[in-house]
Amino acid sequence: EAGVTQFPSHSVIEKGQTVTLRCDPISGHDNLYWYRRVMGKEIKFLLHFVKESKQDESGMPNNRFLAERTGGTYSTLKVQPAELEDSGVYFCASSQDQTAKLFFGSGTQLSVL
Amino acid sequence: DQQVKQNSPSLSVQEGRISILNCDYTNSMFDYFLWYKKYPAEGPTFLISISSIKDKNEDGRFTVFLNKSAKHLSLHIVPSQPGDSAVYFCAAPGGTSNTGKLIFGQGTTLQVKP
Repeated sequence: EAGVTQFPSHSVIEKGQTVTLRCDPISGHDNLYWYRRVMGKEIKFLLHFVKESKQDESGMPNNRFLAERTGGTYSTLKVQPAELEDSGVYFCASSQDQTAKLFFGSGTQLSVL
Repeated sequence: DQQVKQNSPSLSVQEGRISILNCDYTNSMFDYFLWYKKYPAEGPTFLISISSIKDKNEDGRFTVFLNKSAKHLSLHIVPSQPGDSAVYFCAAPGGTSNTGKLIFGQGTTLQVKP
């Protein structure tokens, strides 16, 4: 069974550009989470989907970030326009039930220059 | 305001010895804690957890201890193996214990030397 997959693994963009990150959760997992780790610090929660609905988006930094999960399958996280401080590793995680034991993807390393 | 703290950024241990990774928290409402392990270029993977009704949970070479009065937990790895070299994150659910909205510590990089 495939794990959580994220694409791309790396993205280098210039300040002001737009980037879209994609996450494919484990098949059948209704819960999908986005997290971010900046500069080797703690991993921070961004938002939580249950199927296609946003359950909790309290961790989204600002309105430059837009997450979608149309159809309740894969999810995208768009950053527009990107700023320098958006650099970091963006992790996606999923779970079948409401649980703290999540399955994480390998992350997307975003570098904004 | 960091609710989960791992004050040691790194730890180096000889193979076969014990590794002790520490974690402190500030929110007394936390009732469940987890340790995740992360290898380079991979995502974190769940390692072990503990409920606040217990003070110890053991799984093979890994044991987590919880001291609620001190708001402190620790992960013991005995014996340590080179394959244990990774970043270890302590985490607590931000809401109920059944939520994936986790609050992570900064992580401790463990290096186990052969």
